[in-house]
Amino acid sequence: AQSVTQLDSHVSVSEGTPVLLRCNYSSSYSPSLFWYVQHPNKGLQLLLKYTSAATLVKGINGFEAEFKKSETSFHLTTPTAHMSDAAEYFCVVSDPGNEKLTFGTGTRLTIIP
Amino acid sequence: ETGVTQTPRHLVMGMTNKKSLKCEQHLGHNAMYWYKQSAKKPLELMFVYSLEERVENNSVPSRFSPECPNSSHLFLHLHTLQPEDSALYLCASSQRVTYEQYFGPGTRLTVT
Repeated sequence: AQSVTQLDSHVSVSEGTPVLLRCNYSSSYSPSLFWYVQHPNKGLQLLLKYTSAATLVKGINGFEAEFKKSETSFHLTTPTAHMSDAAEYFCVVSDPGNEKLTFGTGTRLTIIP
Repeated sequence: ETGVTQTPRHLVMGMTNKKSLKCEQHLGHNAMYWYKQSAKKPLELMFVYSLEERVENNSVPSRFSPECPNSSHLFLHLHTLQPEDSALYLCASSQRVTYEQYFGPGTRLTVT
């Protein structure tokens, strides 16, 4: 069975500082992993995806994530937080043996001016 | 949001009404999904359609009835809903099941 745990329900950082959103996963197979962002009253937008190629994945809006199999982690980072980054972020795992995506509970990112 | 549209964006309905939510994808995908997003709860997968056939129904009450007439359109028919059904209903599509999904903007449903 696959599962995903987002370790922080809420993260606050100052504008211009780095952001780290943590995600751990569990999967019986080699999973695909995704990060989505949801701005208020909007749908979810794909930020980036890992599908067994390079372990460091670059996405949109300056975000990147590193797949670490030994730590079963897929943390999302950006070096410089912008006010427009304030949103809810979801880590998602797709297990080829279980034909569906499993979403984490989300991390709300607040940017302090 | 580009590529998947949902109408209406907002809907208020009484418990005895019948209404339908519509989703359309312009991405040439073969799989479509309905999700329910309630405040302070994880995203809940409701239905999955692959090549217009329902492949998953996550124990959703029968007052929610999906319809997928073709690979581009997905409907969610609603009748005799309860106040706890108030939520954001999201539609998504993907090239295949397990591939990354692309979401619409959602329909904010309020049941009074």
